[in-house]
Amino acid sequence: KNQVEQSPQSLIILEGKNCTLQCNYTVSPFSNLRWYKQDTGRGPVSLTIMTFSENTKSNGRYTATLDADTKQSSLHITASQLSDSASYICVVSLQTGANNLFFGTGTRLTVIP
Amino acid sequence: KAGVTQTPRYLIKTRGQQVTLSCSPISGHRSVSWYQQTPGQGLQFLFEYFSETQRNKGNFPGRFSGRQFSNSRSEMNVSTLELGDSALYLCASSFDSGSGYEQYFGPGTRLTVT
Repeated sequence: KNQVEQSPQSLIILEGKNCTLQCNYTVSPFSNLRWYKQDTGRGPVSLTIMTFSENTKSNGRYTATLDADTKQSSLHITASQLSDSASYICVVSLQTGANNLFFGTGTRLTVIP
Repeated sequence: KAGVTQTPRYLIKTRGQQVTLSCSPISGHRSVSWYQQTPGQGLQFLFEYFSETQRNKGNFPGRFSGRQFSNSRSEMNVSTLELGDSALYLCASSFDSGSGYEQYFGPGTRLTVT
């Protein structure tokens, strides 16, 4: 069964600290993996997208890693800011011609001063 | 390029009514997908339209329907509303970048059913 699981479900960190969010998937055949940031009440915004051959991709203070062998990905946030408070969603795409995506339920990150 | 737009942004309906939500994709994107998002379930795929044809469908009852017009704009309709239909409805437009579908979400329509 194709599934995407994220951990932790929620996380509270102090401003300026680093954190790492996890995503495990069983989606196969795998095409790509995306991390999205979703502010409350708004649509998700893409942070990174990685294909099978990519191990790491950065977008400013956000760094995503992918281990396609163990089917795990992580999103590392460096020097967190209050504006990082949001839900982070991991999305895995199937290798098909259609737009076939599997969503994790997200990690709710709260950054406190 | 303008982003994905959705109208209305907020909507309050009563049980038994029907509702139509609208989505305008990014210019040039031919694929439009709809999602329902609730706090407990996360994002749930409703359906995808490509060139006016429904290409994929999620596991939702027939009360949920959609369509796409020749200009790629899409509408989603929910009939006989139930309290459990209260959710954020997200539309996303996509294009095939060659290494997978690049998907861009709209701001969503917050539907409250009372």
